[in-house]
Amino acid sequence: GNSVTQMEGPVTLSEEAFLTINCTYTATGYPSLFWYVQYPGEGLQLLLKATKADDKGSNKGFEATYRKETTSFHLEKGSVQVSDSAVYFCALRSRRGSTLGRLYFGRGTQLTVWP
Amino acid sequence: NAGVTQTPKFQVLKTGQSMTLQCAQDMNHEYMSWYRQDPGMGLRLIHYSVGAGITDQGEVPNGYNVSRSTTEDFPLRLLSAAPSQTSVYFCASSPSPGNTIYFGEGSWLTVV
Repeated sequence: GNSVTQMEGPVTLSEEAFLTINCTYTATGYPSLFWYVQYPGEGLQLLLKATKADDKGSNKGFEATYRKETTSFHLEKGSVQVSDSAVYFCALRSRRGSTLGRLYFGRGTQLTVWP
Repeated sequence: NAGVTQTPKFQVLKTGQSMTLQCAQDMNHEYMSWYRQDPGMGLRLIHYSVGAGITDQGEVPNGYNVSRSTTEDFPLRLLSAAPSQTSVYFCASSPSPGNTIYFGEGSWLTVV
């Protein structure tokens, strides 16, 4: 089946620290992979995506590489800011079979950045 | 840009009451879906639709009904609200099952 496991939080960092949030997945076939971000009191926004192996998604200084061999899609940022404080969700989207189009989420990782 | 619009944003219901969460998108997307978000659980799929007139169940469909009479609208109905349905509900849409999914801003529902 399809599932996503991501690093449990909360994660607390100082401003300008390096961020890694681990995400691994199990899927039938070759899914698309996503990171979504949810700021306090708001909905989910797409942060970045990758649709095939070795693709790197990037946006707002965040990056994640689709690693088929390790079934991973870890989120990284070299220097976090206070404004990055949010909940981050890793997700996969099935591209085949009876689950075509369905989005499967990890449980979310709360990030807090202190000045 | 309207995107995906959900109403209401906040609602308090009494146990046993019924209500409808509205969802509309103006992007001519075929694929629409409803998720609920609970603490520590991520988002779970309730129902989805691949086009007008077609709906199907997701992971947690019990207690909810949907219909898709037009491409634009995908309402979620709670038939007899229960405290276990206290959650944040998100509507989402995408052009096709393989494309990026776009989310509405969420509806916070409390059942007392």
